[in-house]
Amino acid sequence: SQELEQSPQSLIVQEGKNLTINCTSSKTLYGLYWYKQKYGEGLIFLMMLQKGGEEKSHEKITAKLDEKKQQSSLHITASQPSHAGIYLCGADISGTASKLTFGTGTRLQVTL
Amino acid sequence: DAGVIQSPRHEVTEMGQEVTLRCKPISGHNSLFWYRQTMMRGLELLIYFNNNVPIDDSGMPEDRFSAKMPNASFSTLKIQPSEPRDSAVYFCASSFSGGGTGELFFGEGSRLTVL
Repeated sequence: SQELEQSPQSLIVQEGKNLTINCTSSKTLYGLYWYKQKYGEGLIFLMMLQKGGEEKSHEKITAKLDEKKQQSSLHITASQPSHAGIYLCGADISGTASKLTFGTGTRLQVTL
Repeated sequence: DAGVIQSPRHEVTEMGQEVTLRCKPISGHNSLFWYRQTMMRGLELLIYFNNNVPIDDSGMPEDRFSAKMPNASFSTLKIQPSEPRDSAVYFCASSFSGGGTGELFFGEGSRLTVL
């Protein structure tokens, strides 16, 4: 079983619509990272959250970490075709600040 | 500044052949990670180094896999002999673990196909 569960696994939204991707763990997330990946390319860092209740935004993307530090959400407002790709959450669940475990990813398609 | 550089970008080989993947981390980074990505299992950590020393290789599938980091600017991941189930995209990532966000910087990946 995955230590980090992402939902949904895939998502198709119409351009301009809002969407939310979730990342859940049964363990404490000592550091939670969101990455985006385009097909055939590497992962690009989006945001990092550390404190319970923390929220960060960049352009139209907002990420939150819940108070218990076991769940994070990534929200995209007014989606655009450029948002299409695979979104992965990665977390330090060992508490050693040394390595990241990743979820299986959420594949996002944005239709015109 | 150059990012993490991986080679080759694509490799097609036959079962039983030796495969060597290469990685040059970002200059100044002291941690290096090898990940494998497949549709079924997602992104899995194989091994990571800190200051050129292997710290955790518990993700290495079996003895056919080996990784080295002879110096701060170069690492290899070797598969010998290769098998079709090794087909995947292999990513190298580096970071500076000494403060800051600990963000991982990923290379473009090496797509391996074993026939």
